Amino acid sequence: KQEVTQIPAALSVPEGENLVLNCSFTDSAIYNLQWFRQDPGKGLTSLLLIQSSQREQTSGRLNASLDKSSGRSTLYIAASQPGDSATYLCAVLTGANSKLTFGKGITLSVRP
Amino acid sequence: GAGVSQSPSNKVTEKGKDVELRCDPISGHTALYWYRQSLGQGLEFLIYFQGNSAPDKSGLPSDRFSAERTGGSVSTLTIQRTQQEDSAVYLCASSTYNEQFFGPGTRLTVL
Repeated sequence: KQEVTQIPAALSVPEGENLVLNCSFTDSAIYNLQWFRQDPGKGLTSLLLIQSSQREQTSGRLNASLDKSSGRSTLYIAASQPGDSATYLCAVLTGANSKLTFGKGITLSVRP
Repeated sequence: GAGVSQSPSNKVTEKGKDVELRCDPISGHTALYWYRQSLGQGLEFLIYFQGNSAPDKSGLPSDRFSAERTGGSVSTLTIQRTQQEDSAVYLCASSTYNEQFFGPGTRLTVL
């Protein structure tokens, strides 16, 4: 059974800091991995999707990497801003057209 | 283009009543998913549709939960005889090329 872990559960950093959010998964046979952002009381916004054959994806100040063999992904946020404050969720797709298995998320607070 | 929409955004009901939650997927997306987000439980898969068929219902927590999809588009999740433990945010997603896009969710509160 696939399990996804995100540690720590919460993180507080000063504005401008570069930071890394970690995600680990137990079964390396994944189809893809998605990083999502969730603002309080809102749905999920897809940030980046990495296919199993890819090593990383970039969008603006965000960079996500994938090491499938070790069961790890990281989301790198450059020059963090207060507007980046949200919960970041990692999710893996084990097979095509299958369900996503989510971590419990990391709640990020960026202090002005 | 329009994203995934869900209605209602909030629903308060009394224990024992039935509720229906609606999801309108992104046009052209054949795959549709329901998830539930509870405090302390994280996001849990409920059911997956491909077209109008549901090949994976493994996440439905009890037979009080059912879902249907008509015309390969709109889906309805029905919870019968609601219990307090059903209180959660119910999220719908539709998918293309195995990337899932989520709606804003329906917050269900069972009193």
